[in-house]
Amino acid sequence: DADVTQTPRNRITKTGKRIMLECSQTKGHDRMYWYRQDPGLGLRLIYYSFDVKDINKGEISDGYSVSRQAQAKFSLSLESAIPNQTALYFCATSDGAGNEQFFGPGTRLTVL
Amino acid sequence: AQKITQTQPGMFVQEKEAVTLDCTYDTSDPSYGLFWYKQPSSGEMIFLIYQGSYDQQNATEGRYSLNFQKARKSANLVISASQLGDSAMYFCAMTSGTYKYIFGTGTRLKVLA
Repeated sequence: DADVTQTPRNRITKTGKRIMLECSQTKGHDRMYWYRQDPGLGLRLIYYSFDVKDINKGEISDGYSVSRQAQAKFSLSLESAIPNQTALYFCATSDGAGNEQFFGPGTRLTVL
Repeated sequence: AQKITQTQPGMFVQEKEAVTLDCTYDTSDPSYGLFWYKQPSSGEMIFLIYQGSYDQQNATEGRYSLNFQKARKSANLVISASQLGDSAMYFCAMTSGTYKYIFGTGTRLKVLA
């Protein structure tokens, strides 16, 4: 089984709709991250959480919110989706010791 | 401010040849880590190699090696004996300080038969 899972894997929605992307991990890591990937821009950090009670904004948090329901679960919400939020979204985890991140398979989101 | 720069949007290499993907970084933290990830067309992010700022030797993992030049703040990825399956997007990344990770914009590598 995959260590970091994301649901859904693909989603098409309409402008103005609320949507939630979910991430679960079995790595036992405290640190979880949400990124979006756009062509030519690499991965940009949306939000990150170093433990259940610690939530931090990344470089592009406007229009997004997150919830850390448990050590293993970190969800990303778009309260009112807009077309420029069309992107590939990744969840990732790390162990807090400066080692590599482990990524989920990504969620491809299209906002019409 | 921390920054990762990948100046090569796209690269071509002939199968079985070596290729170097460039990465420069900027940080004021003396302790940091540098990473390379591969993203094939299927989209997943695959960790390739890691270099710590205090590591004396360049990191190697199979056909991948990291050419770490600390004074020049560069961390280039060298892929030896390229294979068709190496065709992918490659990202350089760094973590330091609070252990946020920042990524470069990537280099798309195409291996030619």
